[in-house]
Amino acid sequence: GNSVTQMEGPVTLSEEAFLTINCTYTATGYPSLFWYVQYPGEGLQLLLKATKADDKGSNKGFEATYRKETTSFHLEKGSVQVSDSAVYFCVNNAGNMLTFGGGTRLMVKP
Amino acid sequence: EAGVAQSPRYKIIEKRQSVAFWCNPISGHATLYWYQQILGQGPKLLIQFQNNGVVDDSQLPKDRFSAERLKGVDSTLKIQPAKLEDSAVYLCASSPPSDEQYFGPGTRLTVT
Repeated sequence: GNSVTQMEGPVTLSEEAFLTINCTYTATGYPSLFWYVQYPGEGLQLLLKATKADDKGSNKGFEATYRKETTSFHLEKGSVQVSDSAVYFCVNNAGNMLTFGGGTRLMVKP
Repeated sequence: EAGVAQSPRYKIIEKRQSVAFWCNPISGHATLYWYQQILGQGPKLLIQFQNNGVVDDSQLPKDRFSAERLKGVDSTLKIQPAKLEDSAVYLCASSPPSDEQYFGPGTRLTVT
């Protein structure tokens, strides 16, 4: 079956710190991988995606690389801002069915 | 382009009552999804429609939950009767032929 495991939060960082949120997955076949973000009071939004092994998704300074050998899709950002405070979900898409991780809350302090 | 619309945004009911949620997907999106997001967890798929046909409803508690998409556009999700554990945010999403899903703002249900 399909599953996603991501690090539990909350993750609390100071502004301009380096961010890593770990994510590993299991899936049958070759899934697409996504990071979705949920800002306070808003709906889920797609942050970035990768559709095949070794692809790197990037958006708004965030990056994640699809690692088939380690079944991982870790989210990174070199310098976080207060406005990045949100809940981040790692998502596995196999057969057009999304499987979400439990979410990681990020809090960035000025 | 208008996003996925959902209503109501909030609903409070007593256990054993009934409730219905409405979703209007992005125009032209053939696939529509309903998810349940319990506080502190990731969304869980309840049902997926392709046009007006059900693709997957394996995780829908069919003894109390039902959903329809009669004309292949709008959809309703109903709970009858509600239980305390149904308290959650109910998310609707739609997608074009690509694999990206677009989510609505959700309906927050509280069952007391």
